[in-house]
Amino acid sequence: GDSVTQMEGPVTLSEEAFLTINCTYTATGYPSLFWYVQYPGEGLQLLLKATKADDKGSNKGFEATYRKETTSFHLEKGSVQVSDSAVYFCALTTGNQFYFGTGTSLTVIP
Amino acid sequence: NAGVTQTPKFQVLKTGQSMTLQCAQDMNHEYMSWYRQDPGMGLRLIHYSVGAGITDQGEVPNGYNVSRSTTEDFPLRLLSAAPSQTSVYFCASSPPGGTGELFFGEGSRLTVL
Repeated sequence: GDSVTQMEGPVTLSEEAFLTINCTYTATGYPSLFWYVQYPGEGLQLLLKATKADDKGSNKGFEATYRKETTSFHLEKGSVQVSDSAVYFCALTTGNQFYFGTGTSLTVIP
Repeated sequence: NAGVTQTPKFQVLKTGQSMTLQCAQDMNHEYMSWYRQDPGMGLRLIHYSVGAGITDQGEVPNGYNVSRSTTEDFPLRLLSAAPSQTSVYFCASSPPGGTGELFFGEGSRLTVL
C-alpha cells in the first residue's frame, strides 16, 4: 500500500544552519506530495506541495522537489530561524486517503 | 473565518464510557476526515467522508463510528472507550477540485483511564 518514510528526529540546529529532512514514498499511481508543519499546541498546516514529477514546491524559504526516479520529496531550507522550530510531516495522497510520515521534530537554537 | 472547529479540546474518560468528538467546517468542503496522532506513529486516518451521506474507513477504524448528515459536520463517536484510544484527534477537511490540501482543526486531546 501507499506509505511515507521520513527521517527520524529530533533534529537540533543552530540558527542560520542548513536544513534537510529526508522523505521517501511508496505509491501506486501518481501521488501528490506535501510537507505539513505543526507548531506546539496547534493543528497541522500546509507548508508546501507538489503535484507532479519535477515540480518544486516552495514557501517561507523552504523547498522540496518531487523526484519520481528516487521516489523522494526532501525538505530543505538554506538558513533556519528559531521560529522554524516545529514538527514537520511529509505526506502523500493519490485520491481520497492521505498518508503521513511519522514527523520530524526540529529545534533551532539561537 | 472559523475554518475547522473541533470540540472539546480536552476530555478524560473512563474505560467503557462513550463520547462524541465534534467537528464542523464553514468552508463548504466536501471532503472531511478524522486522524489520530500518537508518538512515533505520525497521523493515521480513522474515517473519511467525500460528501453528505457518504463515509468510509481509513487505516485504523476499529472502535470508532462516524456519520455525515450535513456538509458542515462530521462527528466521531467512541462507543466504548479503551485506554488504547488515548490520543490526540484531528479533524481535517479539503476543498473540491483535487488540490489535495488538508485544513486541520486544532485537535482534541483524549485520555482514557
